[in-house]
Amino acid sequence: GQQLNQSPQSMFIQEGEDVSMNCTSSSIFNTWLWYKQDPGEGPVLLIALYKAGELTSNGRLTAQFGITRKDSFLNISASIPSDVGIYFCAGQTSNTGNQFYFGTGTSLTVIP
Amino acid sequence: GAGVSQSPRYKVAKRGQDVALRCDPISGHVSLFWYQQALGQGPEFLTYFQNEAQLDKSGLPSDRFFAERPEGSVSTLKIQRTQQEDSAVYLCASSGGLTSYNEQFFGPGTRLTVL
Repeated sequence: GQQLNQSPQSMFIQEGEDVSMNCTSSSIFNTWLWYKQDPGEGPVLLIALYKAGELTSNGRLTAQFGITRKDSFLNISASIPSDVGIYFCAGQTSNTGNQFYFGTGTSLTVIP
Repeated sequence: GAGVSQSPRYKVAKRGQDVALRCDPISGHVSLFWYQQALGQGPEFLTYFQNEAQLDKSGLPSDRFFAERPEGSVSTLKIQRTQQEDSAVYLCASSGGLTSYNEQFFGPGTRLTVL
C-alpha cells in the first residue's frame, strides 16, 4: 500500500528544544492526522487537519495542513521526556473513501 | 467502553494454524478499520466496515485473511493457515462519532507471532 514520506526518520534532542517534522505525498489529501505511538500501544491521535493552510494547536503541539495539500508539518515546542515516541502522519484522499495512508514515522528521543 | 479494545494482546501461532483477532470499537462508532503494522513501519490499511457492511477490503494481502462485523459493532479478523510473514501487530480503529467523523481512534493492537 501507499505510504507517505515522513522526515526526519529519527531525532535526538535535548529536553527543552523545539522539534519539527514533516510529511509529504505525491497525492492531494483532504485530511491530515498526526498520531503518537508508544511501544506496545496503538497510535494516539494528536491533531486533525481538514483545510489547506489550517494551523491547529494542541498544547505544545502545532500542526499545519500544507497549502499544496500534499504535505503537513508537526512542531513540538519545549520538548519534555514524555514526548519520546514515534510520530506518524496519516492522510486521506477524496478518492479512497475513509482509508488513511500512514507515514513511515519519526522516532523522537528526548535527552534529559 | 471508553476506547477501542482488542483481544488477545499477544498471540503466538504455529505456521499453518488459524487465528482470530477481536476488536471492540468505541460505542456508537459507525466505521471500523483494520491495519497491519510491521516492525518499524507505519500501519497499513487492510479493510474497512461501515456498520456491518465491508466497504473496502482492498488491503487484505491474500484470501487467507477474512474480516467480519456481523452486527455492526464487534469485528473479528481471521487469518487462516498462518505464515511467518503474517507476523505483525494488527491494529483496529473506529471512527464516526458525532463530533469527529473522520478521526480514527486506535486500539492497543494484537501482536501476532507466527513460528
